[in-house]
Amino acid sequence: KNQVEQSPQSLIILEGKNCTLQCNYTVSPFSNLRWYKQDTGRGPVSLTIMTFSENTKSNGRYTATLDADTKQSSLHITASQLSDSASYICVVSDLTGGGNKLTFGTGTQLKVEL
Amino acid sequence: DTEVTQTPKHLVMGMTNKKSLKCEQHMGHRAMYWYKQKAKKPPELMFVYSYEKLSINESVPSRFSPECPNSSLLNLHLHALQPEDSALYLCASSQELSGTGELFFGEGSRLTVL
Repeated sequence: KNQVEQSPQSLIILEGKNCTLQCNYTVSPFSNLRWYKQDTGRGPVSLTIMTFSENTKSNGRYTATLDADTKQSSLHITASQLSDSASYICVVSDLTGGGNKLTFGTGTQLKVEL
Repeated sequence: DTEVTQTPKHLVMGMTNKKSLKCEQHMGHRAMYWYKQKAKKPPELMFVYSYEKLSINESVPSRFSPECPNSSLLNLHLHALQPEDSALYLCASSQELSGTGELFFGEGSRLTVL
């Protein structure tokens, strides 16, 4: 069964600090891995999409890495801001099932404090 | 225009009511999706439309009835719902049903069933 596990479940950091969120997956055959940011009560917003051949992808202060061999990904947030407080969801797509049937992680709840 | 618009943002209904959720996108996307998200849980796929035809139905109860009148619109008709159906309903769209394209989410419709 395809699974996506994220750690930590929740995280509190001070404004201006960096943090790294982890994602391990067992989805096969792998198509791509996405990171989404979801504010409470709002729809998820895409941060990055990475395919098998991509190791790193950046979007502003967000940098995602992918190790397809170990089936691990990380999302690094640099110089955190209060507006980074949100749930960060790792989503993996596989090549079967007719497409875009994604396996969602349960998310990491990040809180940035003053 | 990279927007998926959902209406209403909030909906309260009784178990005997009939209501509808609406979703609209003007990005020329040919795949549209309904997800259900409970608090602190990842989104769960309900339905997928590709080229205005129902492609995936994740064994959703018949009290939820999707409709795709045209390539820009997606409706979710609700009838005889249960209190446990209270959730955030997310609409999303993508260029194609290929699993490789970016998925754009709407802001969601918060449904409360009394």
